[in-house]
Amino acid sequence: EAGVVQSPRYKIIEKKQPVAFWCNPISGHNTLYWYLQNLGQGPELLIRYENEEAVDDSQLPKDRFSAERLKGVDSTLKIQPAELGDSAVYLCASSSRIPPDTQYFGPGTRLTVL
Amino acid sequence: AQSVAQPEDQVNVAEGNPLTVKCTYSVSGNPYLFWYVQYPNRGLQFLLKYITGDNLVKGSYGFEAEFNKSQTSFHLKKPSALVSDSALYFCAVRDDYKLSFGAGTTVTVRA
Repeated sequence: EAGVVQSPRYKIIEKKQPVAFWCNPISGHNTLYWYLQNLGQGPELLIRYENEEAVDDSQLPKDRFSAERLKGVDSTLKIQPAELGDSAVYLCASSSRIPPDTQYFGPGTRLTVL
Repeated sequence: AQSVAQPEDQVNVAEGNPLTVKCTYSVSGNPYLFWYVQYPNRGLQFLLKYITGDNLVKGSYGFEAEFNKSQTSFHLKKPSALVSDSALYFCAVRDDYKLSFGAGTTVTVRA
């Protein structure tokens, strides 16, 4: 079974530029999560999707961050414009709705903003 | 809100010795607890979870964890550590539908 796929793995951009991250969850997983992981810290949830609906985006900085999950499968997380403090690893995870709904993570995208 | 704490930033052990990574939790209600491992430049890999049932949970790569309700702990253990176990370990608790993670413990196993 294929795991969660993310691309790109690494991204370096200048501040104020836009950037987008892509995630393909495990087949059949209805729930998709985006987490932010700063260096030396545990991941923190940005947004959770149930199918194509964003059911928890309370931690997403909506002034510059946006996300979508068209057709309830792949998802894209966007930052526009990027700031220096956005440098971090962006992790995507997915889970099924069937208990015990373990979250499985992708390899992440390491963003560096210069 | 649910939370976990990992009191040790680093754990160093010799190969072949037992490995313990500590985690304590604070929850209202029944806890759903998880352990993940992260290797350099990799995502988090699921090791094991406690939902209900036996207090000793067995997981991947020879790891196990002991749930202790009276001490509110969920320590990760491995009887005989390998050099390849060197990584960053995270304890997490399910808080509604999200996971709340500890700060992580860096494990170094020396040959």
